[in-house]
Amino acid sequence: GIQVEQSPPDLILQEGANSTLRCNFSDSVNNLQWFHQNPWGQLINLFYIPSGTKQNGRLSATTVATERYSLLYISSSQTTDSGVYFCAVVANYGQNFVFGPGTRLSVLP
Amino acid sequence: KAGVTQTPRYLIKTRGQQVTLSCSPISGHRSVSWYQQTPGQGLQFLFEYFSETQRNKGNFPGRFSGRQFSNSRSEMNVSTLELGDSALYLCASSLKTDTTGELFFGEGSRLTVL
Repeated sequence: GIQVEQSPPDLILQEGANSTLRCNFSDSVNNLQWFHQNPWGQLINLFYIPSGTKQNGRLSATTVATERYSLLYISSSQTTDSGVYFCAVVANYGQNFVFGPGTRLSVLP
Repeated sequence: KAGVTQTPRYLIKTRGQQVTLSCSPISGHRSVSWYQQTPGQGLQFLFEYFSETQRNKGNFPGRFSGRQFSNSRSEMNVSTLELGDSALYLCASSLKTDTTGELFFGEGSRLTVL
């Protein structure tokens, strides 16, 4: 099945810094989402982005489907951005989302 | 519009018991899927239901089962619980009937097996 990798696995930032999280996938996809898992475990939707670029406040994301990767940008990070960020994809031949291992972000005050 | 609702939020069981978890999708969403999250295995797909039919199943033993009702609410059941079943169980719903739809998750049910 499709393989999903995320980098870096862990990231520690000072408040106010910018960061880029990467998601690589091994096959063509027809769906891709970025999630933020809050401390209580809920997966919060950040972006539904099978292709192209989207922005929402301090966050933006770009998916280059032909090159099989997606990037999540966080600017001017805040302590509330801490948590685990997941990329999830559905392969063109697939029937369900496959999640990456996540990037654990810690933003220090 | 209410989000995906999962009950119970927390539960503790002992080995050998069974457990039933419930999920109410967003109104109008007919696709419901379940995921298991553990520290060792990450987020893994359990199964997906649409219009009361299981459309897709992940690689889990037969002790894991589910169903969907006519109002799209779904339940999953784990029988003969093992210590390794301790996990966060997440339910998600989607509006679209195919795999291109956006997935929305509930807060999860955290199961501890003693």
